Amino acid sequence: EAGVTQSPTHLIKTRGQQATLRCSPISGHTSVYWYQQALGLGLQFLLWYDEGEERNRGNFPPRFSGRQFPNYSSELNVNALELEDSALYLCASKGGLAGPRGYNEQFFGPGTRLTVL
Amino acid sequence: AQSVTQLDSQVPVFEEAPVELRCNYSSSVSVYLFWYVQYPNQGLQLLLKYLSGSTLVKGINGFEAEFNKSQTSFHLRKPSVHISDTAEYFCAVSRNSGNTPLVFGKGTRLSVIA
Repeated sequence: EAGVTQSPTHLIKTRGQQATLRCSPISGHTSVYWYQQALGLGLQFLLWYDEGEERNRGNFPPRFSGRQFPNYSSELNVNALELEDSALYLCASKGGLAGPRGYNEQFFGPGTRLTVL
Repeated sequence: AQSVTQLDSQVPVFEEAPVELRCNYSSSVSVYLFWYVQYPNQGLQLLLKYLSGSTLVKGINGFEAEFNKSQTSFHLRKPSVHISDTAEYFCAVSRNSGNTPLVFGKGTRLSVIA
């Protein structure tokens, strides 16, 4: 079974540009989570999509946005890039049916390394 | 809201020695607890999780963790480390509703020395 895939692996942009990152979840998974892993800040929750809807967002400005497509893949868009947006962006997917005690594991992709110059 | 504190940013240890990576959490509601490992240039892999029940949780690669509710801790242990255990380790928490995002600590870099 294929895992979570993300593209591109690396992305280099300049300040003020827009970046688009893509995530394909594990087959059968309907939820997609985006996390930012910036140097010194650890992993921070960005966005959560489920069944095509945005369910929750973390403490990030509106220039971070995204969407989920009918096939459950997802896009993360970052507008007006700033130097501090340089980070590893991780996507995770989760199945729709709850497992024991209402828990389902999040499976992570390898990430997209975004560098803003 | 939940928060996680990993008390050590870096832990060097000799090969075949035991190791403990410390994690404390804060939450006003019941939580699930996790440890993830991140090898260089890779995503996160789940090592183990505590949902409920026995407070001693065994995971992959010989790791285990103990949930201590009174001390709000979830320390990760391994009795004998290998060079291949060199990686970044993240403790995480989520509300026990099953659908909430994970809140991560800032990570502990484990360096195993030959």
